[in-house]
Amino acid sequence: NAGVIQTPRHKVTGKGQEATLWCEPISGHSAVFWYRQTIVQGLEFLTYFRNQAPIDDSGMPKERFSAQMPNQSHSTLKIQSTQPQDSAVYLCASSLGERLFFGHGTKLSVL
Amino acid sequence: QQQVRQSPQSLTVWEGETAILNCSYEDSTFNYFPWYQQFPGEGPALLISISSVSDKKEDGRFTIFFNKREKKLSLHITDSQPGDSATYFCAASGGGNNKLTFGQGTVLSVIP
Repeated sequence: NAGVIQTPRHKVTGKGQEATLWCEPISGHSAVFWYRQTIVQGLEFLTYFRNQAPIDDSGMPKERFSAQMPNQSHSTLKIQSTQPQDSAVYLCASSLGERLFFGHGTKLSVL
Repeated sequence: QQQVRQSPQSLTVWEGETAILNCSYEDSTFNYFPWYQQFPGEGPALLISISSVSDKKEDGRFTIFFNKREKKLSLHITDSQPGDSATYFCAASGGGNNKLTFGQGTVLSVIP
């Protein structure tokens, strides 16, 4: 079991470009979560899916951010027109019950 | 509004001492409280958890004490080791929602 896999590990984009982050959850896990981590804000919830259906996106910025889970083996977080304030580590987690298993994260740097 | 608060922000102890990390919450619907440990460059990993029906949970050198009335909990790490140096996050969920709300974290340093 390789755990939750996130790609890429690091991504550098220019201001205004689009960034797509990928997450492969642990096989058999029914829920997938996305969090954003910064020094200032800490771990912020963005959105989560259960059985591929969006359940709660209350943490997602209303503009520019979107998440999808087209099948049970992967989820994507897309940020359009990236801004410097989007720079953060984006963490994906999957779970079967209450316990969340996190990936290593994708460090996004917007120049 | 910070739903889950942690203190102190950072803590330094000598090897062998007991480290005490504190956490408080506001939402009465929270009923599950995990502590996550995070090393640099890695994602958080579950260390130990407790539900609101218990007042104590022990796992080796790690113990959670929970006070439902005061909405407070603490993580005690006995016989601290340099390998315990990491950031510790208190989190909470409840109301049938698996979404975790995290505290700001406590950075623990254990000096040999």
